[in-house]
Amino acid sequence: EIVMTQSPATLSVSPGETATLSCRASENIRINLAWYQLKPGQAPRLLIYAASTRATGVPARFSGSGSGTEFTLTISSLQSEDFAVYYCQQHNKWPPLTFGGGTKVEI
Amino acid sequence: QVQLQESGPGLVKPSETLFLTCDVSGDSIGNGFYWGWIRQPPGKGLEWIVNVHQNGNTYYSPSLKSRVTVSVDTSKNQFSLRLDSVTAADTAVYYCARAPSAGAGLFSFDPWSQGTLVTVSS
Repeated sequence: EIVMTQSPATLSVSPGETATLSCRASENIRINLAWYQLKPGQAPRLLIYAASTRATGVPARFSGSGSGTEFTLTISSLQSEDFAVYYCQQHNKWPPLTFGGGTKVEI
Repeated sequence: QVQLQESGPGLVKPSETLFLTCDVSGDSIGNGFYWGWIRQPPGKGLEWIVNVHQNGNTYYSPSLKSRVTVSVDTSKNQFSLRLDSVTAADTAVYYCARAPSAGAGLFSFDPWSQGTLVTVSS
């Protein structure tokens, strides 16, 4: 099983700043990594797949990078609606598909 | 616009069976995608359960495989999850989602349902 580790667990930032979230895989997953945004009471939202491809309708302030075992989600010019929990997920090798433990982006 | 909506009881007794259905609108469930179930226990992270294709191909989480049954009903454009012998550890918000069967986004999930809390308690 591929273990996904996210850091930090909580990230405190101010609106307008840049947030940098990290995700590490326990083995090489090439670029097969997705990022999701979760907010209470809402459907989770796919932000990024294949490490750096934005999903349809995702604002350009969300960007993903990395390959192999190290990945980053960058949120530029944080908006109030961006405060949420973010999860990474490897989609390289299954079963099982695995998620990271999440990073909470808070004010 | 593709939308998914799960339905099922919010309370299940220990040792009984959890049964959820996901209704798909805006897309045909036979349109080549995989359809998945993911859950999130209270205060914890996301856990993938299963992906199923209309052609019968199914991938299970090894930790849940022995208790999970999944089915696709193309006539109703819905798919279902059955989890047997539940315990308190199965208490979670359960989501259904769509996953591409090919391409760069293979087995990423988009869109998701809003989620339903299922509590296992007597």
